[in-house]
Amino acid sequence: EVQLVESGGGLIQPGGSLRLSCAASGFMFINAYMTWVRQAPGKGLEWVGRIKSNPDGGTTDYAAPVKGRFTISRDDSTNTLYLQMNSLRTADAAVYYCTTGHRFWGQGTLVTVSS
Amino acid sequence: DIVMTQSPDSLAVSLGERATINCKSSQSVLDSSSNKNYLGWYQQKPGQPPKLLIQWASTRESGVPDRFTGSGSGTDFTLTISSLQAEDVAVYYCLQYYSIPRTFGQGTKVEIK
Repeated sequence: EVQLVESGGGLIQPGGSLRLSCAASGFMFINAYMTWVRQAPGKGLEWVGRIKSNPDGGTTDYAAPVKGRFTISRDDSTNTLYLQMNSLRTADAAVYYCTTGHRFWGQGTLVTVSS
Repeated sequence: DIVMTQSPDSLAVSLGERATINCKSSQSVLDSSSNKNYLGWYQQKPGQPPKLLIQWASTRESGVPDRFTGSGSGTDFTLTISSLQAEDVAVYYCLQYYSIPRTFGQGTKVEIK
């Protein structure tokens, strides 16, 4: 059974940093492209970025609103996906989901950005 | 970026009646070499992550009731719920995975009339 479990969310002040994690199991993580999607309270879904599998180069792509501030990385030895978020803004407040192939999704972790 | 526009933003349908949601992309999401449309449909209920219903515009995911049907090609797509059930109350999103950045439609809220 595919499982994706996000963690690391919480309350952070504007300008601060936070690192989210996504623990994956039940599939070949090493070969999977992994994606972060977010959803602001009461709003729609927004693609944040993705990381290719390391066998396919391990490169990353980001949405314009987060490019240069967010970094996606992965640890294939522990089947964990990360989202490093710097220079956080109030507009970044959302539930952050990790997903593989846009098919399997975690339950999400809530990030609140407020002073 | 490909802009995905859904219509309507919300609709109320009687139980057992048909619900139709449209999704239009600002450019084609059809890959001519594979003849596949890189378009998915998702259902999201309150407090839950999105659930993939349809991929490749018309391929129903395993376990998804056959009252859900995806159709369309190129830039115009439709999700049809043939006979609305109470458990279908949700927000529905389309997603294009043809190009980076991936983009979602704004969502369509389906309610019972």
